[in-house]
Amino acid sequence: ELKVEQNPLFLSMQEGKNYTIYCNYSTTSDRLYWYRQDPGKSLESLFVLLSNGAVKQEGRLMASLDTKARLSTLHITAAVHDLSATYFCASENTGNQFYFGTGTSLTVIP
Amino acid sequence: KAGVTQTPRYLIKTRGQQVTLSCSPISGHRSVSWYQQTPGQGLQFLFEYFSETQRNKGNFPGRFSGRQFSNSRSEMNVSTLELGDSALYLCASSFGSGRETQYFGPGTRLLVL
Repeated sequence: ELKVEQNPLFLSMQEGKNYTIYCNYSTTSDRLYWYRQDPGKSLESLFVLLSNGAVKQEGRLMASLDTKARLSTLHITAAVHDLSATYFCASENTGNQFYFGTGTSLTVIP
Repeated sequence: KAGVTQTPRYLIKTRGQQVTLSCSPISGHRSVSWYQQTPGQGLQFLFEYFSETQRNKGNFPGRFSGRQFSNSRSEMNVSTLELGDSALYLCASSFGSGRETQYFGPGTRLLVL
């Protein structure tokens, strides 16, 4: 079974600081996805990473994928309060198994 | 363009009953996926449909079933409800057959008593 682990589970950071969320997965993965969820809300797609070395950026968020290390990172640059949310990664392997990570709850403190 | 809509938004059922949830994708989208979110199990994938065909199914018992209609609208059905089926059920649509840039509906919150 494909396992997806995120760390940290909880992250409290000051505005203006940088930080990285890590997503490790256990088997060969075709695709890696990042999502955002605000409290009490639905999910929002952030990034889809399709190949080794893929890097995508949107505003203060940048996601990357290293398929050899089975690792994806979500880097937050100069955090602002609006980025406070729970971030999930999800991995899809060649067998079409699709699993989410446990989520990282991010709180940005003024 | 209208977003993904899900009905009903909230639902209360009792154990043993069955329930049908509906999802209308964004116009032109042919792929619909369903997910379950619970505090204990987190987010889990249920099904994926493309052009009326189930392409993929998560690790759920046969009580969970779904279908997609020719207009891409999708329904999921849970029979013989259990307390553990209480969850937020999310559907998402995308244009193609993969999960590229999925658009999520607001979810249906199901409470089983």
